Amino acid sequence: DAKTTQPPSMDCAEGRAANLPCNHSTISGNEYVYWYRQIHSQGPQYIIHGLKNNETNEMASLIITEDRKSSTLILPHATLRDTAVYYCIVLSNFGNEKLTFGTGTRLTIIP
Amino acid sequence: EPEVTQTPSHQVTQMGQEVILRCVPISNHLYFYWYRQILGQKVEFLVSFYNNEISEKSEIFDDQFSVERPDGSNFTLKIRSTKLEDSAMYFCASGTGGSEQYFGPGTRLTVT
Repeated sequence: DAKTTQPPSMDCAEGRAANLPCNHSTISGNEYVYWYRQIHSQGPQYIIHGLKNNETNEMASLIITEDRKSSTLILPHATLRDTAVYYCIVLSNFGNEKLTFGTGTRLTIIP
Repeated sequence: EPEVTQTPSHQVTQMGQEVILRCVPISNHLYFYWYRQILGQKVEFLVSFYNNEISEKSEIFDDQFSVERPDGSNFTLKIRSTKLEDSAMYFCASGTGGSEQYFGPGTRLTVT
């Protein structure tokens, strides 16, 4: 699986958009970008995933650059409940793939 | 909304004892996983399970560990003889394939 690089921490003001970057320059053609988050001591939570097109769901938007070497997770209106560690994971989508969690980005939403 | 449940939420056991951690995955899911997280460390993959057999296991998942799907709803992780270093949060996850996995709230295992 391709390696990812994320900033260790970020702050964002409540109500503003939180933009979390991820670099994955060695991503291969069949690998997807997945985002999960872990709110303190809870189980990781799936957020969104994409291959090359931008994706949006009720939680977030995912913007993947045209060369697919980086992506940005956007939480459009961050709330205090979005304070968590966010993980960008790159892997194929062929079923039964284990998730390999790095250290992620610790996002703190400031009131 | 369906969710993965785990019991107990906290288990305290003595070193050398056997423990069984229980999980009820989401009902239409076919892929099941166990992960663990030692306090302050990363979430680590232990094992994946599909079609009543182990698909993949990590080097952590040695002979002391086993998994079972004893009926149509439960998925269990057994640690035969616990060690102090087994103290961790254990997360069960399930999915329909692909890498979209849904995690339970975890069982905190404390080995004394």
